[in-house]
Amino acid sequence: GENVEQHPSTLSVQEGDSAVIKCTYSDSASNYFPWYKQELGKRPQLIIDIRSNVGEKKDQRIAVTLNKTAKHFSLHITETQPEDSAVYFCAIGGGYNKLIFGAGTRLAVHP
Amino acid sequence: DAGVTQSPTHLIKTRGQHVTLRCSPISGHKSVSWYQQVLGQGPQFIFQYYEKEERGRGNFPDRFSARQFPNYSSELNVNALLLGDSALYLCASSWAQGSSYEQYFGPGTRLTVT
Repeated sequence: GENVEQHPSTLSVQEGDSAVIKCTYSDSASNYFPWYKQELGKRPQLIIDIRSNVGEKKDQRIAVTLNKTAKHFSLHITETQPEDSAVYFCAIGGGYNKLIFGAGTRLAVHP
Repeated sequence: DAGVTQSPTHLIKTRGQHVTLRCSPISGHKSVSWYQQVLGQGPQFIFQYYEKEERGRGNFPDRFSARQFPNYSSELNVNALLLGDSALYLCASSWAQGSSYEQYFGPGTRLTVT
């Protein structure tokens, strides 16, 4: 069935370092791969997404890469800042408007 | 910029009671999806509605039901509440139906069942 595994579950970096979060999935029919950022007590916020016809997408300090053959995609955050601290969720489009989420990565950026 | 809105913000109910949660999508969006987020986990898909019809359903019992109105707003109903129903209920809106359309979440309703 549809499944998304997300690693690591927690990530601690120093301000200015890079952070990488990786997700693997099982359904080869998936064609939409969004990333959400959720700050404590707030809604999940769409920060970047990629579709299966693109291998990489970048938006300022954030980038996502997709390897459909290996069924994994990754979020890359460069020059991390304290305000990047949050829980990050990967997801896959599972038909209709259904999103299947990973378990989340708690990112802590230390000044 | 009117995003997705949900009401109420917080709700406390007793086991066995019924609850109704409401969602208004972004203007122009016709699809509404509901998710349950238990503390410490990712959101779990409950329902998707598009053009007032149920188009997708997750692995939730029949105690959960929903509907979408002509103005595309939506209600999620949960009957016979259990302690395990305590969670953040999120509504997401999308312009159309399809697995590759962006979904934008509302602030959620925090439901506590005692």
